[in-house]
Amino acid sequence: DAGVTQSPTHLIKTRGQQVTLRCSPKSGHDTVSWYQQALGQGPQFIFQYYEEEERQRGNFPDRFSGHQFPNYSSELNVNALLLGDSALYLCASSSGPSNQPQHFGDGTRLSIL
Amino acid sequence: RKEVEQDPGPFNVPEGATVAFNCTYSNSASQSFFWYRQDCRKEPKLLMSVYSSGNEDGRFTAQLNRASQYISLLIRDSKLSDSATYLCVVKNRGNTPLVFGKGTRLSVIA
Repeated sequence: DAGVTQSPTHLIKTRGQQVTLRCSPKSGHDTVSWYQQALGQGPQFIFQYYEEEERQRGNFPDRFSGHQFPNYSSELNVNALLLGDSALYLCASSSGPSNQPQHFGDGTRLSIL
Repeated sequence: RKEVEQDPGPFNVPEGATVAFNCTYSNSASQSFFWYRQDCRKEPKLLMSVYSSGNEDGRFTAQLNRASQYISLLIRDSKLSDSATYLCVVKNRGNTPLVFGKGTRLSVIA
């Protein structure tokens, strides 16, 4: 039974570029949430997808966008990358948008040069 | 004021010690409470939920004081493998996101 899988594991980009991160939820889960974790900080909620729609959004600019596919997998897109976007991006899945616990993937470590 | 506040530590304790972590939250509407553990460069993993009556799981005890908006985690007989960052997490009712504290780093020393 596969848990939450994320790709790629690591990524290096330069300022101004665009990036797409991918997440496959745990088997049986239909809801995906994305978090950004900067060094020395706790994860910060970006947004949540359920039934292919964005259901909740945290305090992140429009440069951060996402998508959920019919198979429940999800993408996080970040445009016009800034140095401050360097962080660990975590995907968490759950069965339903209100349910706990959320299961986290290993994350994608994004470095902006 | 941050919604969830924790002492960042680090807490350096010898094996076998008892260590307590504290956390306060600002939103009185918070309904669910958790402690997550995060190893270095790994994802957070649920350690335990926190209930109003307090709950225990082996060497770990969690307490919640709603009146003071305060959550605690007690680790008894610390093991080297307990070294990690412990994240205090709160959630409001319904479809709302998890809100994480910055985490408290624990190093258990032989």
